[in-house]
Formats: sequence, C-alpha cells, structure tokens
Amino acid sequence: AQKITQTQPGMFVQEKEAVTLDCTYDTSDPSYGLFWYKQPSSGEMIFLIYQGSYDQQNATEGRYSLNFQKARKSANLVISASQLGDSAMYFCAMRDNQGGKLIFGQGTELSVKP
Amino acid sequence: DVKVTQSSRYLVKRTGEKVFLECVQDMDHENMFWYRQDPGLGLRLIYFSYDVKMKEKGDIPEGYSVSREKKERFSLILESASTNQTSMYLCASTGNSGLGTEAFFGQGTRLTVV
Repeated sequence: AQKITQTQPGMFVQEKEAVTLDCTYDTSDPSYGLFWYKQPSSGEMIFLIYQGSYDQQNATEGRYSLNFQKARKSANLVISASQLGDSAMYFCAMRDNQGGKLIFGQGTELSVKP
Repeated sequence: DVKVTQSSRYLVKRTGEKVFLECVQDMDHENMFWYRQDPGLGLRLIYFSYDVKMKEKGDIPEGYSVSREKKERFSLILESASTNQTSMYLCASTGNSGLGTEAFFGQGTRLTVV
C-alpha cells in the first residue's frame, strides 16, 4: 500500500539559511510521482515542485530543490535562503499508477525566524 | 485562471444531519478528490473519482459517500454527521496528463458538527 511519512511536525530556521524538510514514501509501483505543496496560514495549497520516479536529476524550482534518493525512498525538500514568507505548512505527496490516488503526508510546520 | 470552488467556506451542522459539501472545477479535469485535514494528521484521502459516476475509496471512507454525476462536480455527503467529522475539508482536481500533473485545490470548507 502507498504511504507517505513526514516525521518533523515542526521546524525552525533562521532567515537566509537553508532548511531540509524530510519525506519518506512507500509504494510497490515502479512508476510514481512525488510532490511538495505549501500551505500558508491563509489555507490555500500552493504547488512547489515535482519529481518523477524515472527522472535522472533532482528537481529544482528557484529556491526549492528536491533531494530524491530512490533507494532510500526519500524525497526531501530543500529550501535555500529562507525568507519570512516561507513560514507555512509543507506537505509531501505521492501519486502512482495504481489507481491514481494522490496521498499526502502529515505535514511539517516551518517557522522562519528573523 | 484555473478554479476549484467549494460551495461553503464555513459550515455548522447538527449531529445526525445529512450534510452535502459541493466542489466544482472549471478545468475539465478527469480526477477529483476529497480530503479532510486535521492537525498532526495531514491530509487524509476520503474518496476520489477518475470519471463521471466512478468513485474509489480512499483511506478513511467510513461515514462518507460521494457523487459525481457531472464531470465538473464532485459532492461529498455525510450521511449522518457526527462530532468526530468536525474538520477542514479540501477538494482537489487533476487532469490526466501524466503522473506529474499538478493538483489544484479549493479554498476548503471548515465544518463544525455540534
């Protein structure tokens, strides 16, 4: 069965520093996609970055990069040069070819300190 | 501008009432999802639908049902609302352009059952 696990309920980071948010997953399907979403206090869900299971390179989008370690089944989000506006909940998600379910982890609340 | 719209932002219902949460998307997406979001538990999938009149159970379908009579509309039904169904409910939709297709979310419905 599919599963996504985020083990960090809350994280603090100093402004301008980098931070890594952990995500591990489990699936028996060799073809799957991994996503990260940001949810600010306003409640909207903002798509950040995507990594496909067959992608050779780690995905990057601006200050966001995904540290994809397939053998370890981990897909950690790295935010470089943190900004105050990065304070939010962050969710890791996965979708595979078995039925098309899109499932999410428990989330990590990131607080950026000035 | 792509849109997923949930019928209510806030809802208060009494125990035992039948509750309908409506979600409409204007992107001609095939796949639609209902989640509930609770602190510490993240987003948990209740039901999803990959086509009109088709539905699949998610991880926590008990106490819920769904209806998809038209492609753009996906309804979540609480047959007999209970206080443990007090939560934030999020609707999402995606197309079928591959695993990396981004999911778009509604603004959420905060349901309180008293």
